[in-house]
Amino acid sequence: NAGVTQTPKFQVLKTGQSMTLQCAQDMNHEYMSWYRQDPGMGLRLIHYSVGAGITDQGEVPNGYNVSRSTTEDFPLRLLSAAPSQTSVYFCASSYGGIHSPLHFGNGTRLTVT
Amino acid sequence: GIQVEQSPPDLILQEGANSTLRCNFSDSVNNLQWFHQNPWGQLINLFYIPSGTKQNGRLSATTVATERYSLLYISSSQTTDSGVYFCAVEGRETSGSRLTFGEGTQLTVNP
Repeated sequence: NAGVTQTPKFQVLKTGQSMTLQCAQDMNHEYMSWYRQDPGMGLRLIHYSVGAGITDQGEVPNGYNVSRSTTEDFPLRLLSAAPSQTSVYFCASSYGGIHSPLHFGNGTRLTVT
Repeated sequence: GIQVEQSPPDLILQEGANSTLRCNFSDSVNNLQWFHQNPWGQLINLFYIPSGTKQNGRLSATTVATERYSLLYISSSQTTDSGVYFCAVEGRETSGSRLTFGEGTQLTVNP
């Protein structure tokens, strides 16, 4: 099993550009989520999904969209990148919802200039 | 929302020393997990421990939910234990949806 796979590992965008961060898991986990990590602020939840076709907002959802068409994939879309979105993004999943150990991908480091 | 405070923010040890990391939370929780972020940025789940005590090798964790804290013990520390340790909780208010993370404890183990 590959676990949780994120692509790309690094990305540089110009202000106003859009892009999609990919996340895939092969563990048949129902719950998937996106976090961003900023210095001194820990990890903050952007969006999450409790199953295919179901998504909801987390703590910091503005500027991001998600969809969950399959159990395996949970892409994160930046609609119009801003310097404030410079961060490290982590995708995570768990079996049986949030009441189970959370498994993280290796992260995507995004810089918006 | 629920508040999570970790202490100490920074800790420097010599190899072989023991340490205790603390996580305090402001409200009742359904779920508490400990993570280690290594120097390469990878986040590894250490414990899923909403209550009680668990042990995994040199690491152990105890959660006293009624007193709203959890402790992570590292014994005979090794340089590979360096990194940031995060505590994360699922508060009753956001039950079923999210984990709220503390700001972490930066641990440095010197040879």
